[in-house]
Amino acid sequence: DQQVKQNSPSLSVQEGRISILNCDYTNSMFDYFLWYKKYPAEGPTFLISISSIKDKNEDGRFTVFLNKSAKHLSLHIVPSQPGDSAVYFCAATDNQAGTALIFGKGTTLSVSS
Amino acid sequence: DGGITQSPKYLFRKEGQNVTLSCEQNLNHDAMYWYRQDPGQGLRLIYYSQIVNDFQKGDIAEGYSVSREKKESFPLTVTSAQKNPTAFYLCASSSTSGTGELFFGEGSRLTVL
Repeated sequence: DQQVKQNSPSLSVQEGRISILNCDYTNSMFDYFLWYKKYPAEGPTFLISISSIKDKNEDGRFTVFLNKSAKHLSLHIVPSQPGDSAVYFCAATDNQAGTALIFGKGTTLSVSS
Repeated sequence: DGGITQSPKYLFRKEGQNVTLSCEQNLNHDAMYWYRQDPGQGLRLIYYSQIVNDFQKGDIAEGYSVSREKKESFPLTVTSAQKNPTAFYLCASSSTSGTGELFFGEGSRLTVL
């Protein structure tokens, strides 16, 4: 059973518009969530995170929203840029020391100019 | 510069051969991880280690082995028992006192001929 689900394999957006990437989780023990960005043949890079004590975290063009009751989080990118085109992975952990992250399958974002 | 170094970046192997992927980090992180990426499958955990001389199986450990003799090093051996070894392998590390963020290497692409 997938504990972290990204149900949209791909998303296409025009430059300047908003990109919204969604993620659902099933494990109620998860209390820390992260988004990673990955280009082909490279390792993922950390983008933004949110703790379960918050419902929103913002960093420049990137905002993550957390709805604990729905076990849902989303990443908003505004405005979207062509350089944002990549695979975005949602990840979660129960934040025990050294616990591995559980990743979703990823969403491929394509931003056209 | 601090970081995670994986080698080789590309590796070809004949069926029936074992191969070892190297992962070295100089971030002074206690925890290290191996993930595998396949198209449409996201990142799946193979093994992880929270301290030297100790490691745990992840979701897909069958056909793989690891060792953690030094804090800086966490090599992964893909054995002939692994049925579908062709994949992109990612090594990561994290601080056990941190927020759970993983730092990834650039990855190793293994192709079985």
